[in-house]
Amino acid sequence: QSALTQPASVSGSPGQSITISCTGTSSDVGAYNYVSWYQQHPAKAPKVVIYDVSTRPSGVSNRFSGSKSGNTASLTISGLQAEDEADYYCSSYTTSSTEVFGTGTKVTVL
Amino acid sequence: EVQVLESGGGLVQPGGSLRLACAASGFTFSADTMTWVRQAPGKGLEWVSAISGSGGTTYYADSVKGRFTISRDNSKNTLYLQMDGLRAEDTAVYYCAKGRGLVTPDYWGQGTLVIVSS
Repeated sequence: QSALTQPASVSGSPGQSITISCTGTSSDVGAYNYVSWYQQHPAKAPKVVIYDVSTRPSGVSNRFSGSKSGNTASLTISGLQAEDEADYYCSSYTTSSTEVFGTGTKVTVL
Repeated sequence: EVQVLESGGGLVQPGGSLRLACAASGFTFSADTMTWVRQAPGKGLEWVSAISGSGGTTYYADSVKGRFTISRDNSKNTLYLQMDGLRAEDTAVYYCAKGRGLVTPDYWGQGTLVIVSS
């Protein structure tokens, strides 16, 4: 199972919106609405910010939103803040009953 | 409050074995899928394995199938990962995570470092 494709880096100024893409195949992202997004700060454990494509866990800021079209999922962070600077990973359930992660995106707040 | 705490990491020689443990609390352990995910130094996340709440169904990444065994003891609220035939490429921080659905990681522990080196 190949990793999902994400841009290596995305940057934005405070207050702006950014979008991170996550491209898979019809065997993962395109097959189910089971895409999750994780935020990982340096030397910390990942934390889920979106699951089931667009559902935000309790306690996660509503500045985070998710969507999907075909084999590509997206995470949008609106009103960018300094604390959003982190690595972000998507993941998807697959038709092989496994999970596959994306390559990861480093978000920089300028 | 959901808590998962990994232990058992360390330095092991190539071809050796190691067993990781993950103690869980704050949720009904036997009702939830549990997963293992690893992250090699400076690299991305790699899903490793998952196990159903009852322990009756297990799932593995191709990269560890036949070498790693996931198991759980619901009486002790503890998840395990038995790692045999370890290779240098298995060097990583191993995270235990409470699952969502069949295999998806949800709430993560802080991880335990495994180094495979002679």
